[in-house]
Amino acid sequence: KNEVEQSPQNLTAQEGEFITINCSYSVGISALHWLQQHPGGGIVSLFMLSSGKKKHGRLIATINIQEKHSSLHITASHPRDSAVYICAVGEGSGSRLTFGEGTQLTVNP
Amino acid sequence: GAVVSQHPSRVICKSGTSVKIECRSLDFQATTMFWYRQFPKQSLMLMATSNEGSKATYEQGVEKDKFLINHASLTLSTLTVTSAHPEDSSFYICSARDPGGGGVGEAFFGQGTRLTVV
Repeated sequence: KNEVEQSPQNLTAQEGEFITINCSYSVGISALHWLQQHPGGGIVSLFMLSSGKKKHGRLIATINIQEKHSSLHITASHPRDSAVYICAVGEGSGSRLTFGEGTQLTVNP
Repeated sequence: GAVVSQHPSRVICKSGTSVKIECRSLDFQATTMFWYRQFPKQSLMLMATSNEGSKATYEQGVEKDKFLINHASLTLSTLTVTSAHPEDSSFYICSARDPGGGGVGEAFFGQGTRLTVV
């Protein structure tokens, strides 16, 4: 069993749909990161969470420390949201991250 | 927000030659940088942790003589793939965590380098 598990692995949605990607982890962490990787390969940090909920535009991330679970939501999805979304966890500010396998999201027009 | 710049974004080299990839933190000091390798449709695989002013820490199975890492300053780490072979063709990406902003360490990634060895 991986230390960080994401679901689903692949997700196809129609434009405008509400999307949820889940992440469960089995190790102690200081923070959880949601990352977005576009087809060209570049990775963008979307959120870093240690508790509660954060919102940025159409993106919302939540984390439940007790249940070791986080979700990334995308409201009113758009084709430009198509990317791989990666959950990663880490201990301490300079420590390595442990990555989930990623969720390939495709939003069709 | 903080930026990590990686160069080059693409490189094609002949088998047997060496390739150097640079990773710079542009507006914060990174005592630690991470080098990853990514195969198609797979997640990031940590190769080594680059420590400013000291030797890098390599993950099991990564040849330190093959993948030379130098972290000579707080803003620059380099990865040199020596005597490259076609099986070294891959996507390499660096990352650094910004210790600022309360010290929680948001992660920033370079743009990645697509290496093709012919």
